[in-house]
Amino acid sequence: QSALTQPASVSGSPGQSITIACTGAMSDVHGYNYVSWYQQHPGKAPKLIIYGVSNRPSGVSNRLSGSKSGNTASLTISGLQAEDEADYYCSSYTTTSTLEVFGTGTRVTV
Amino acid sequence: QVQLTQSGAEVKEPGASVKVSCKASGYSFTTSAVAWVRQAPGQGLEWMGWVSGYNGNTNYAQKFRGRITMTTDTSTTTAYMELGSLRSDDTAMYFCARRTYMIDAADYWGQGTLVTVSS
Repeated sequence: QSALTQPASVSGSPGQSITIACTGAMSDVHGYNYVSWYQQHPGKAPKLIIYGVSNRPSGVSNRLSGSKSGNTASLTISGLQAEDEADYYCSSYTTTSTLEVFGTGTRVTV
Repeated sequence: QVQLTQSGAEVKEPGASVKVSCKASGYSFTTSAVAWVRQAPGQGLEWMGWVSGYNGNTNYAQKFRGRITMTTDTSTTTAYMELGSLRSDDTAMYFCARRTYMIDAADYWGQGTLVTVSS
């Protein structure tokens, strides 16, 4: 099972909005509403920021939002702030041998 | 507060096995699973599998089947991940994470355990 496809990097200026795409297949993103997003700062453990395609855990900023259309899930960060500079990974349940699969990861630069 | 505390860094020779522990606290251990994820230096995240805190049932990614074992000890609320037949490309940071059945996502993570495989 190949990883879900994400752009290697996305950049934006403070206050702007950016969107990170996560492209999969019928066996994962398209077929299930179990898409999650994780934020990882250098040297730190990942942090859950979106689950079930578009739900935010308690305490996560409402500047972060998730959506899905067909084979592609998306994470939008609005009102970019310096603290948003990090790596972002999508994840989806899959019917293939890995059971769950991460995206390739996107480095966000502010 | 929910916490997952992992064991310390390990250095192993090729062909050896490593066992990493993950002590859970601040929640009912049997109501969630513990997932294991690894990250090679400078690389992305990779799912390895998970183990139920309720009954010890496991799901392993096919890539690791045959050389991975995940277990739990409910008396100490600790999960374990043992990986055998280590190779140099198993050098990575290994994370445990609570995977709740309610949201099907890993909502709390351990600090990571660095495993280095080198002769």
